[in-house]
Amino acid sequence: GQNIDQPTEMTATEGAIVQINCTYQTSGFNGLFWYQQHAGEAPTFLSYNVLDGLEEKGRFSSFLSRSKGYSYLLLKELQMKDSASYLCAVSAFSGAGSYQLTFGKGTKLSVIP
Amino acid sequence: IAGITQAPTSQILAAGRRMTLRCTQDMRHNAMYWYRQDLGLGLRLIHYSNTAGTTGKGEVPDGYSVSRANTDDFPLTLASAVPSQTSVYFCASSRDWRTTDTQYFGPGTRLTVL
Repeated sequence: GQNIDQPTEMTATEGAIVQINCTYQTSGFNGLFWYQQHAGEAPTFLSYNVLDGLEEKGRFSSFLSRSKGYSYLLLKELQMKDSASYLCAVSAFSGAGSYQLTFGKGTKLSVIP
Repeated sequence: IAGITQAPTSQILAAGRRMTLRCTQDMRHNAMYWYRQDLGLGLRLIHYSNTAGTTGKGEVPDGYSVSRANTDDFPLTLASAVPSQTSVYFCASSRDWRTTDTQYFGPGTRLTVL
């Protein structure tokens, strides 16, 4: 089975940098996704890492270490609109012959002035 | 804009009633998924379909059924709703089940079973 851990809540100041960590234990690992979910809305795709290292996309970066079962999402120059839940999701090959996502419980980020 | 639609947006349902949540995508994606999201539990996979005509069970399939008669539609049926099925339900799709493709989510259906 899968086990994914991420902090429940975080608070950061507008303009600052915040790092949201995610640790996982899984078999058949085939990549890690980060999604953003604003309250009352659907999750939206932020990033995907399948190889070790850092992927940068504007203000958001995501890092993966497969040997450590560890990822983080880095948000720079925080804006109030970044207040949302951030979901870590691991893709793994299932016994049914396809790749499936298992989601962590999400980290609720509050950005304060 | 192409995407995924879900209906209804929200529903209050009496326990024991039958309910079908609708999901339609126009991206010609092969794979579709149903998740439920509960406070403190995150998103959990209910059922999935790799291609039209095939379906599979996810982590929490009990009390739910699905069908995939064509590429675009993937309805989720609760045969006899129970209060523990109160949740927000998200439909998602991805291009191909044989690789790790990004899943795109519909807007969700908020279901309350009384």
